[in-house]
Amino acid sequence: AQRVTQPEKLLSVFKGAPVELKCNYSYSGSPELFWYVQYSRQRLQLLLRHISRESIKGFTADLNKGETSFHLKKPFAQEEDSAMYYCALLNDYKLSFGAGTTVTVRA
Amino acid sequence: SAVISQKPSRDICQRGTSLTIQCQVDSQVTMMFWYRQQPGQSLTLIATANQGSEATYESGFVIDKFPISRPNLTFSTLTVSNMSPEDSSIYLCSADRGRRDEQFFGPGTRLTVL
Repeated sequence: AQRVTQPEKLLSVFKGAPVELKCNYSYSGSPELFWYVQYSRQRLQLLLRHISRESIKGFTADLNKGETSFHLKKPFAQEEDSAMYYCALLNDYKLSFGAGTTVTVRA
Repeated sequence: SAVISQKPSRDICQRGTSLTIQCQVDSQVTMMFWYRQQPGQSLTLIATANQGSEATYESGFVIDKFPISRPNLTFSTLTVSNMSPEDSSIYLCSADRGRRDEQFFGPGTRLTVL
């Protein structure tokens, strides 16, 4: 069965510091992975997907099949990055979400 | 993109009653889903709402407790039946166009059962 693990429930960084959110997965097939973000008082929205290999709002995520990881990184955190971040894996047409990481960026 | 609205946005209900949550999408979509997010927890998929046929439920969720309708390609309802305090959660509707690229989420319905 598929499983998504986000080991950090809370992450606090200073503005301008690098931030990395960890995500590990277990899946027997070829994974399709996503990062979703929920800002305060907003709905859950897609941040990025591994297949597009793009950088969104300065965030990147690389799929490492050897380590079964899909960590989210940003070199210089901004206060507006404070939010809840979910890693998700697509299995057939259904998403399985990790537990989520709350990121707080302090000035 | 697709814009999803949900009604009600929140409700406080008595034990033993039922609540129906509505989900409306502003364009036709292939797939619609219902999730539950219990306090301090992640999102758990309840079921896939199938247009014109019975919903497909995930393990641990049954139709008698969570009946779902999907009469067309833009609308679905989830009923939480015979509620108990353990049903207090945020219930989220989502949709995608079947292209396996992105799910769009509604704002959620915050349910409190007393």
